[in-house]
Amino acid sequence: DAGVIQSPRHEVTEMGQEVTLRCKPISGHDYLFWYRQTMMRGLELLIYFNNNVPIDDSGMPEDRFSAKMPNASFSTLKIQPSEPRDSAVYFCASSPRGFSGANVLTFGAGSRLTVL
Amino acid sequence: AQSVTQPDIHITVSEGASLELRCNYSYGATPYLFWYVQSPGQGLQLLLKYFSGDTLVQGIKGFEAEFKRSQSSFNLRKPSVHWSDAAEYFCAVGARGGSYIPTFGRGTSLIVHP
Repeated sequence: DAGVIQSPRHEVTEMGQEVTLRCKPISGHDYLFWYRQTMMRGLELLIYFNNNVPIDDSGMPEDRFSAKMPNASFSTLKIQPSEPRDSAVYFCASSPRGFSGANVLTFGAGSRLTVL
Repeated sequence: AQSVTQPDIHITVSEGASLELRCNYSYGATPYLFWYVQSPGQGLQLLLKYFSGDTLVQGIKGFEAEFKRSQSSFNLRKPSVHWSDAAEYFCAVGARGGSYIPTFGRGTSLIVHP
């Protein structure tokens, strides 16, 4: 398996523009997570899906952020309009539900977003 | 809800020296415990995990960690550090019977001197 695939790896945009980040999870994993990593706040869970259904979006910072998972092999995180404070590395991760119940995450390489 | 603390923001060691990274958790029962490593420009990679059984767990790249219930700790160790071990290390805790979604610590940055 190629692992969790994220695109783009780097995105530079101007304030007010729409940003779409994409993720392809590992085949057979039924959980998908979106995280944001910054120096100030560390690794923050934004939202996670189970079987394509959003389960917990309490970490999404505000209405400018939205996430979708139209099928088991694709998810998007959209920011509209983007602001400089959204600059961060955004990670997608996927996980199977193991027999013990624990989620062991496999992370993508991340999408580094810079909003000017 | 569970929480995890990594008291050290940065750790500096010399190549060949031993390493211990600290992790303390807060949870009312025995949690699931994980260590992940993040190399520069990369995503997080699982080093090892503890679910049950033997409290000393072995991971990849020569790392091990010991679960100590009395101290609510899950410290990561390596007997001899290599320059390629320089990275960010994250401890994570998952709750049994809850959402099972792991909570991550703030991370410890490991600097290796030649």
